[in-house]
Amino acid sequence: GEDVEQSLFLSVREGDSSVINCTYTDSSSTYLYWYKQEPGAGLQLLTYIFSNMDMKQDQRLTVLLNKKDKHLSLRIADTQTGDSAIYFCAESPINQAGTALIFGKGTTLSVSS
Amino acid sequence: DTAVSQTPKYLVTQMGNDKSIKCEQNLGHDTMYWYKQDSKKFLKIMFSYNNKELIINETVPNRFSPKSPDKAHLNLHINSLELGDSAVYFCASSQGVRPTGTEAFFGQGTRLTVV
Repeated sequence: GEDVEQSLFLSVREGDSSVINCTYTDSSSTYLYWYKQEPGAGLQLLTYIFSNMDMKQDQRLTVLLNKKDKHLSLRIADTQTGDSAIYFCAESPINQAGTALIFGKGTTLSVSS
Repeated sequence: DTAVSQTPKYLVTQMGNDKSIKCEQNLGHDTMYWYKQDSKKFLKIMFSYNNKELIINETVPNRFSPKSPDKAHLNLHINSLELGDSAVYFCASSQGVRPTGTEAFFGQGTRLTVV
């Protein structure tokens, strides 16, 4: 079945790096995503990675993909208080005629100054 | 310009009422979705439409009826509202039947509270 797992909470100090981990189950997922949700706000697409890539870097964000272990991680360098939010990992399985994003339960990142 | 817009942003209503949430996207996408986010922040797909045709219909009570008058709009009508329907409902859109790359855009959500 489809299932995306994430740890629920992460607490870091400002300036440190944050690493949010995710495991997924469907190896057919062509794209894997990270979304950010700030309190009371919608979902913002942070970054995504294509399944034939191992790593993708975008400014302070680094995504690592271990396809063998079905493990995805998001590293935020120099974490700021404005990074405090819920981060959702999502997969997009392609083994159905039409499908949608399957989300993890979200990791709440708390950044203290 | 807002890419995916939902109205209303907040909706408070009594049990048993019927209500609608509207969604519009100006991205020229073919596919639109409704997701539900419960009180524990868990997000789950409800429906998906591609070019006005229903392509995903998850296990959702039939009190929920999506309607797509054209490919830029996907509305959600809910009959006989129950307390358990309280949640944040997100509309999203993408090009093609599967979200790929940067194309899965979400609206700001509609917070529905049933009292």
